[in-house]
Amino acid sequence: GENVEQHPSTLSVQEGDSAVIKCTYSDSASNYFPWYKQELGKRPQLIIDIRSNVGEKKDQRIAVTLNKTAKHFSLHITETQPEDSAVYFCALPNSGYALNFGKGTSLLVTP
Amino acid sequence: ETGVTQTPRHLVMGMTNKKSLKCEQHLGHNAMYWYKQSAKKPLELMFVYNFKEQTENNSVPSRFSPECPNSSHLFLHLHTLQPEDSALYLCASSQTAVSGTLYEQYFGPGTRLTVT
Repeated sequence: GENVEQHPSTLSVQEGDSAVIKCTYSDSASNYFPWYKQELGKRPQLIIDIRSNVGEKKDQRIAVTLNKTAKHFSLHITETQPEDSAVYFCALPNSGYALNFGKGTSLLVTP
Repeated sequence: ETGVTQTPRHLVMGMTNKKSLKCEQHLGHNAMYWYKQSAKKPLELMFVYNFKEQTENNSVPSRFSPECPNSSHLFLHLHTLQPEDSALYLCASSQTAVSGTLYEQYFGPGTRLTVT
């Protein structure tokens, strides 16, 4: 399946600052780019996704941008709050009906 | 209970035991998945079922045996496991389309498995 590289593996920001997590991929046919958030002790949940026909999508303080030419997509969180602290995973479709997930980014927002 | 449920939530088993994990989805989805979550590989896909048919086995050892009797239920049968199999096992479900379009995956709470 499609491999996805996710960076950074850990990220610490001050409350109110922005956080950016980036994922790169190699298969130019990839057409669906979701981001999941997993809080400590909880299940992963979809927070935002984008399909290949658009370059950016926003939902309040979170946004995803897609650069198909450079084959990377990024999660942007603005005005971070302590409750944004979690592990964030990007994912890509594989050749079947499933997703291959990145290795995750542990985000810590300090007050 | 709505969404995706998993039982048991915690399981401790010896290396010679046989046990089963159960997953049930109440969302009307047609695809179900097993993932293994560990410190080494945070979300590792194991098996995929679409319309009760196994469509993917991600090079999983035969000591893990999935079963999908219908679109709402998924089992993972375990036997002669190794200590390195200790992990959180997550079930998920989603809707899929004939075109191959993927949609949101809904995860269950997971089963924390410890192999002694």
